[in-house]
Amino acid sequence: AQSVSQHNHHVILSEAASLELGCNYSYGGTVNLFWYVQYPGQHLQLLLKYFSGDPLVKGIKGFEAEFIKSKFSFNLRKPSVQWSDTAEYFCAVKRLYNQGGKLIFGQGTELSVKP
Amino acid sequence: SAVISQKPSRDICQRGTSLTIQCQVDSQVTMMFWYRQQPGQSLTLIATANQGSEATYESGFVIDKFPISRPNLTFSTLTVSNMSPEDSSIYLCSVMKTRQNTEAFFGQGTRLTVV
Repeated sequence: AQSVSQHNHHVILSEAASLELGCNYSYGGTVNLFWYVQYPGQHLQLLLKYFSGDPLVKGIKGFEAEFIKSKFSFNLRKPSVQWSDTAEYFCAVKRLYNQGGKLIFGQGTELSVKP
Repeated sequence: SAVISQKPSRDICQRGTSLTIQCQVDSQVTMMFWYRQQPGQSLTLIATANQGSEATYESGFVIDKFPISRPNLTFSTLTVSNMSPEDSSIYLCSVMKTRQNTEAFFGQGTRLTVV
């Protein structure tokens, strides 16, 4: 079955710590990859996206992600987190040539940053 | 980008009743989707809203329970029928401008509580 897996359910970090959130998907073929963020009480916002080309993509607020095709992974990173990064982070995958272009989400990772 | 207006933003409904949620986009889009986000969980795709034809439902979701309309390229409705407390959730409209190589945009969501 199609799936998108996020390795961590809840991550707690202190400010200035480095962050890496794992994301793996289970199917081959050409995909678009996304990370979305949901701040408390707000709607989903796009952090970054990968369509093609350079597998290292940079997003907003200092986030970046690396697509490793051989590992079916798209991990999110930030070198130094801030208290304002406290939010829920969702990895999402879209298969391009079938499945109607729908976006499938991982389970989400709740990030808590301690000041 | 796409600006999505979703109505109502929240509602409290009696069990056994139905609620229709509206999604209006400020520009024509190719793809429209409806998601459900249950408390503390990720987004689950309910269906793809197809213009001028029946929606495409995901496993576990049926038209009788979640009828969807999409009369044109900027508007869709989702009805939650014969509601029970288990339907309490946030319902989200999502759009994509094209099928490939575009991000998904999300509405603010409709927070539904069934009592």
